[in-house]
Amino acid sequence: DAGVIQSPRHEVTEMGQEVTLRCKPISGHDYLFWYRQTMMRGLELLIYFNNNVPIDDSGMPEDRFSAKMPNASFSTLKIQPSEPRDSAVYFCASSEMDRDEKLFFGSGTQLSVL
Amino acid sequence: GNSVTQMEGPVTLSEEAFLTINCTYTATGYPSLFWYVQYPGEGLQLLLKATKADDKGSNKGFEATYRKETTSFHLEKGSVQVSDSAVYFCALKGSGGYQKVTFGTGTKLQVIP
Repeated sequence: DAGVIQSPRHEVTEMGQEVTLRCKPISGHDYLFWYRQTMMRGLELLIYFNNNVPIDDSGMPEDRFSAKMPNASFSTLKIQPSEPRDSAVYFCASSEMDRDEKLFFGSGTQLSVL
Repeated sequence: GNSVTQMEGPVTLSEEAFLTINCTYTATGYPSLFWYVQYPGEGLQLLLKATKADDKGSNKGFEATYRKETTSFHLEKGSVQVSDSAVYFCALKGSGGYQKVTFGTGTKLQVIP
């Protein structure tokens, strides 16, 4: 299996622009998580899905952030409009949480908002 | 809510030195505990886990014991190598159906030859 695949690896954009991050989970995994990593706040859970349904989005910073999972093999995290304070590494992870509590992480998207 | 506290880094050790990275947690019930490792430019990988009190997780020479009485899950390795240089994260998942995994802030380990 190719593992969790995220794209792009790096994104540089200007304040006010829309940013879309993409994730393909491991086939057969029924949980998908979006995390944000910064030096100041560490690793924060933004939202997670179970069987494509959002279960907990309490970590989403504000209305500028939205996440979707239209099918079992694809998820997006969108920021509109982006701000410099959104600069971070965004990780997607997938799991079969009910059977095995192990999270499988993608390589992350390094987002820089200028 | 659940939380994880781990020692501040960075930790710098010479090759073959003994490693301890402290981790304590706050949670209700009986959480599962984990150590994840992150190498530069990569996502986190599970290093080891323990799911109940007194369990010992081990992998690649690393060990951690689930101590409920002290709410701790300290990571140890008897002899570190340069290739162990990475950031180590302690984490927990609460018991019950809620699947959120809470991470500590991470401890950077640098091993010098």
